[in-house]
Amino acid sequence: DSGVTQTPKHLITATGQRVTLRCSPRSGDLSVYWYQQSLDQGLQFLIQYYNGEERAKGNILERFSAQQFPDLHSELNLSSLELGDSALYFCASSLTFSSTDTQYFGPGTRLTVL
Amino acid sequence: AQSVTQPDIHITVSEGASLELRCNYSYGATPYLFWYVQSPGQGLQLLLKYFSGDTLVQGIKGFEAEFKRSQSSFNLRKPSVHWSDAAEYFCAVGAERNTGFQKLVFGTGTRLLVSP
Repeated sequence: DSGVTQTPKHLITATGQRVTLRCSPRSGDLSVYWYQQSLDQGLQFLIQYYNGEERAKGNILERFSAQQFPDLHSELNLSSLELGDSALYFCASSLTFSSTDTQYFGPGTRLTVL
Repeated sequence: AQSVTQPDIHITVSEGASLELRCNYSYGATPYLFWYVQSPGQGLQLLLKYFSGDTLVQGIKGFEAEFKRSQSSFNLRKPSVHWSDAAEYFCAVGAERNTGFQKLVFGTGTRLLVSP
């Protein structure tokens, strides 16, 4: 158990809908990262937050957005969902944003878009 | 751009045999390198990491990896595989460090099957 929690574990929805994925980092960690794992794209970095501020963006679509709240939990919002958005979404956390910090991964949320 | 190549999609090893999973990276400076393992239905667990210093790195569960700058490689090894090691293994490089954050760039993964 990494200490990172993600809810829900599974999510099934229809095209065009909007969903919110939630992540609680390990106690004391200030950075949260979101990754997408799909069959065709593999594991890709989406976005990073540190202490409530967005620090970096990766291959995140404009239909996707995220935020980190004062209690440091984070939400990833996916809107206008398409079939291709079906994937496993991981959240990771680290102590700071230092490049030597280990990123600890949650169990993931499996999103299925029908 | 930074990239990681794991040339083997699947590997089958007999229980008790030795294991080597290959990883090659592309990175302009000294890389920060990681191996993660993903068991079915689980998140990713860090096995080991290399930042600097001794090029032979020891990790959890009896795994080790060796950084070879001349070959741009960071291969993962285990002397004797157990059935519980069956999982998917990901090599990653920590990229864009100069911007003040660490983006992990992952390889495509190697699925390890362990035969009795």
